[in-house]
Amino acid sequence: KNQVEQSPQSLIILEGKNCTLQCNYTVSPFSNLRWYKQDTGRGPVSLTIMTFSENTKSNGRYTATLDADTKQSSLHITASQLSDSASYICVVSDRGSTLGRLYFGRGTQLTVWP
Amino acid sequence: EADIYQTPRYLVIGTGKKITLECSQTMGHDKMYWYQQDPGMELHLIHYSYGVNSTEKGDLSSESTVSRIRTEHFPLTLESARPSHTSQYLCASSEEGGKTDEQYFGPGTRLTVT
Repeated sequence: KNQVEQSPQSLIILEGKNCTLQCNYTVSPFSNLRWYKQDTGRGPVSLTIMTFSENTKSNGRYTATLDADTKQSSLHITASQLSDSASYICVVSDRGSTLGRLYFGRGTQLTVWP
Repeated sequence: EADIYQTPRYLVIGTGKKITLECSQTMGHDKMYWYQQDPGMELHLIHYSYGVNSTEKGDLSSESTVSRIRTEHFPLTLESARPSHTSQYLCASSEEGGKTDEQYFGPGTRLTVT
């Protein structure tokens, strides 16, 4: 069964600290993996997209890694800011259908305290 | 920032009422999607469209219906709202033939049925 599991479910850190969010997936055949940031009451916004051949990608203070062999990804946030407080969603796309089906994780709720 | 819009942003309505959630995008994308998201849960695809006059049901069964008469417009209709329809509804679009089929999300409509 194609699934995306994220950990931890929630995380609280102090402003300025770093943190790492985890994503494990069982989706096959794999096409790409995305990390989205979703602020409360808003739609998800894409942070990074990685294909099979990419094992790291950065977007400012966000760095995503992908290990396609172990089917694991992580999102590292450096020097956290209050505005980083949001849900971070891991999404995996397959190519088993024309639609390019997306499988969503439940997200990690990150809270950054001053 | 993606040019995809949803109205209303918040809606509180009584049981049995007919409602239409609006979604428009100005990016010329052929593919459009509707997702349903409950708090702390993953997004579930309820409808999608490959283009004008194309509509398909998603993975999660929904009593809602959609139409795609114009490329930029993908409204979702509930003929008779019930409390079980209370949820957040997210609209998204993507470019046909894009390398990664990245989906751009609207801000969402928070629906409460009393």
